Amino acid sequence: RKEVEQDPGPFNVPEGATVAFNCTYSNSASQSFFWYRQDCRKEPKLLMSVYSSGNEDGRFTAQLNRASQYISLLIRDSKLSDSATYLCVVNTATSGSARQLTFGSGTQLTVLP
Amino acid sequence: SAVISQKPSRDICQRGTSLTIQCQVDSQVTMMFWYRQQPGQSLTLIATANQGSEATYESGFVIDKFPISRPNLTFSTLTVSNMSPEDSSIYLCSVDRDGEAFFGQGTRLTVV
Repeated sequence: RKEVEQDPGPFNVPEGATVAFNCTYSNSASQSFFWYRQDCRKEPKLLMSVYSSGNEDGRFTAQLNRASQYISLLIRDSKLSDSATYLCVVNTATSGSARQLTFGSGTQLTVLP
Repeated sequence: SAVISQKPSRDICQRGTSLTIQCQVDSQVTMMFWYRQQPGQSLTLIATANQGSEATYESGFVIDKFPISRPNLTFSTLTVSNMSPEDSSIYLCSVDRDGEAFFGQGTRLTVV
């Protein structure tokens, strides 16, 4: 089983649609969680951190369920510019040690006009 | 945000040769990380580079194949040695700032 597993995708959705990505992680000691966005031929960039209480940033909502070891990302009113690969990232480093990021394989999203 | 300048952005190399990738950060950082992203795959950590000590390599990666230098707190190099077509990949350096991981623009390597 992969340490971080994501929806295989690709997702092709029309503009304005709502789309949800799911991610599961295997290490119950994981400390922090993130969604990164990677545009074609570009480096990954942080989209948002994921907190236990759930957090929202504009059209983006992230949820974490520690009991189920499950992370989600919801994109509302999708735009053409949302087209990218979304990476689920888990940090398993303990406090005081170097970061230990594990990346999911990514979910490709294409928003169609 | 951290600014990382990585070069070269791409290269096409002959098998058996070596390529050195450079990363320059806009401020001092304790640790720099080197990743590989193979076509259609996600990022895999190669090694962690601390200034003044040997890099720490992840399982499956060895110093002879991927020697790393870290001469100061703003600079690091990764060399891909004795290249084969299987080394064709994107290589990225990364640093942390305020809990966020930042990446260089990546080096797209093709070995022929």
